Amino acid sequence: ELKVEQNPLFLSMQEGKNYTIYCNYSTTSDRLYWYRQDPGKSLESLFVLLSNGAVKQEGRLMASLDTKARLSTLHITAAVHDLSATYFCAASNYQLIWGAGTKLIIKP
Amino acid sequence: DSGVTQTPKHLITATGQRVTLRCSPRSGDLSVYWYQQSLDQGLQFLIQYYNGEERAKGNILERFSAQQFPDLHSELNLSSLELGDSALYFCASSVGRTDTGELFFGEGSRLTVL
Repeated sequence: ELKVEQNPLFLSMQEGKNYTIYCNYSTTSDRLYWYRQDPGKSLESLFVLLSNGAVKQEGRLMASLDTKARLSTLHITAAVHDLSATYFCAASNYQLIWGAGTKLIIKP
Repeated sequence: DSGVTQTPKHLITATGQRVTLRCSPRSGDLSVYWYQQSLDQGLQFLIQYYNGEERAKGNILERFSAQQFPDLHSELNLSSLELGDSALYFCASSVGRTDTGELFFGEGSRLTVL
């Protein structure tokens, strides 16, 4: 059974700092997704990672996938307040299995 | 704008009542998914339809039911509502038969049960 764990679940950080959110999954997954959710809003797709070693970057966010370690990371570089949100990862075999989400607060 | 349309955006009702939430998927998408998100909680997968047929079932209560119509829109019916059913209900769509594809989410329907 595929399980997805994110950590940390809550992260408070200062603007300008770097940090990484981790997404571990328990069995084979053929792709990995990252989504962003602002409070009370919809989920917005950030990245779709399709193969081992895949790396995608958008602005201050970079996502990577290591299928051998069953690990994806979302790295935030020089954080700004606008990146405050909850970030979800999801892994997929037959079903899409979601992590619990990481609530990120970036303080000015 | 994801292209997925959900109505109503907000709904307030009383315990014991029944409501219907509606979802129109993105043009061309055959799969529709329903999720429940309670306050400060993660996403609970309820059910998936593909081209009119139920494809997968998650933690959907017996009081809840859904269907997908020939025009591919979907409805989620919630009956005998309880206070704990208050949540944000999301619809998402994707192209394929399984949910290995990217999901596109609607804005959600916020249900408040008083």
